[in-house]
Amino acid sequence: AQTVTQSQPEMSVQEAETVTLSCTYDTSESDYYLFWYKQPPSRQMILVIRQEAYKQQNATENRFSVNFQKAAKSFSLKISDSQLGDAAMYFCAYRSAAGYSTLTFGKGTMLLVSP
Amino acid sequence: DAEITQSPRHKITETGRQVTLACHQTWNHNNMFWYRQDLGHGLRLIHYSYGVQDTNKGEVSDGYSVSRSNTEDLPLTLESAASSQTSVYFCASSSGRTTGELFFGEGSRLTVL
Repeated sequence: AQTVTQSQPEMSVQEAETVTLSCTYDTSESDYYLFWYKQPPSRQMILVIRQEAYKQQNATENRFSVNFQKAAKSFSLKISDSQLGDAAMYFCAYRSAAGYSTLTFGKGTMLLVSP
Repeated sequence: DAEITQSPRHKITETGRQVTLACHQTWNHNNMFWYRQDLGHGLRLIHYSYGVQDTNKGEVSDGYSVSRSNTEDLPLTLESAASSQTSVYFCASSSGRTTGELFFGEGSRLTVL
């Protein structure tokens, strides 16, 4: 079974600074999807960014970008120019591309943003 | 706009009672999922369905059941609620086999006393 590990229970950043959240995963598959979801205090799960494993280019969405290292099975999220609204729980998730599959989540990293 | 709704949003019940959490989606998605979220555990999969009459057990299915009689709904039933089932429950749906993204409901907070 696939596992997703987020080794940082909590991270802090100041407004306008850059922060990187770490995620590693374990899989024997070669084709899969990786995700970062954001969960603000409202509890809503919001998709931040998605990466297809067959794409070498790192995904980018405005201030959010990933560093996808397939051989190392690493998928970190970089948030640039951090804003107060970025404060939330962030979950890394994995989904196999082979047939029907489900989403496996890490335990989450709480991001605190200070003025 | 298409959406996925859960009800109730908050519920308090007693140990041993049967509880059903509703999930309704208007995306016309084939795939539906139930997760529970607990501090220190992230989201863990309870049950999932890939279509009408299809249900499958997830990582933490003991004490839970689901049924899928139509495309729109996947109710989650706790047959005899236990304090260990106090949690926040999320329903989610997705369209294709491997398109990846799940769309989530707003969550249901269940407290079992």
